[in-house]
Amino acid sequence: GAGVSQSPRYKVAKRGQDVALRCDPISGHVSLFWYQQALGQGPEFLTYFQNEAQLDKSGLPSDRFFAERPEGSVSTLKIQRTQQEDSAVYLCASSLQSGGATSRQPQHFGDGTRLSIL
Amino acid sequence: SQKIEQNSEALNIQEGKTATLTCNYTNYSPAYLQWYRQDPGRGPVFLLLIRENEKEKRKERLKVTFDTTLKQSLFHITASQPADSATYLCAPLETDSWGKLQFGSGTQVVVTP
Repeated sequence: GAGVSQSPRYKVAKRGQDVALRCDPISGHVSLFWYQQALGQGPEFLTYFQNEAQLDKSGLPSDRFFAERPEGSVSTLKIQRTQQEDSAVYLCASSLQSGGATSRQPQHFGDGTRLSIL
Repeated sequence: SQKIEQNSEALNIQEGKTATLTCNYTNYSPAYLQWYRQDPGRGPVFLLLIRENEKEKRKERLKVTFDTTLKQSLFHITASQPADSATYLCAPLETDSWGKLQFGSGTQVVVTP
């Protein structure tokens, strides 16, 4: 497809379960970002990849959150031992360039995964 | 700490009028500022980028200004239409930020016929 694809669109899990969220960026996009969006708030940065390298994970809320992009394309965000406060929409975005040029590039967002922890 | 403030109250406006949204930031020295639109249940969609040395940028019915002295950007939608109803997000970016977007909470615009 032409855009960023995320799956699943909705995920319901019981507290304590592990979940994995997938992001398929636009083909050829070097930069990939994960954001977390709470209801009524703007998205908050979680982590950034340049190709397969995770260059910034300063936004990950705890060590229960883990992200990977092993071949520089598809990325997975994993949350272990989920808690109720993890309930949010998780957004993935990609952009064509990397480094300083990334600041000037528009980011292309997927429609997110809505995660609900019961 | 860094802070981005957008009017949290919804902006209700009549079709055909101009909507003006405000984005104020503190403890940033942005080289760029991006504006995005977000519809319910969808991801944000890029609208405009303005650079620190540009005072104004236009795209169709949209106009953005950037005042680094006031630390403020204004976003205008002229001749507004019901299809413009959405939440609008601003994101100031510093040059060495890797493109990491830090958003305001967004302002919801509701355009009524």
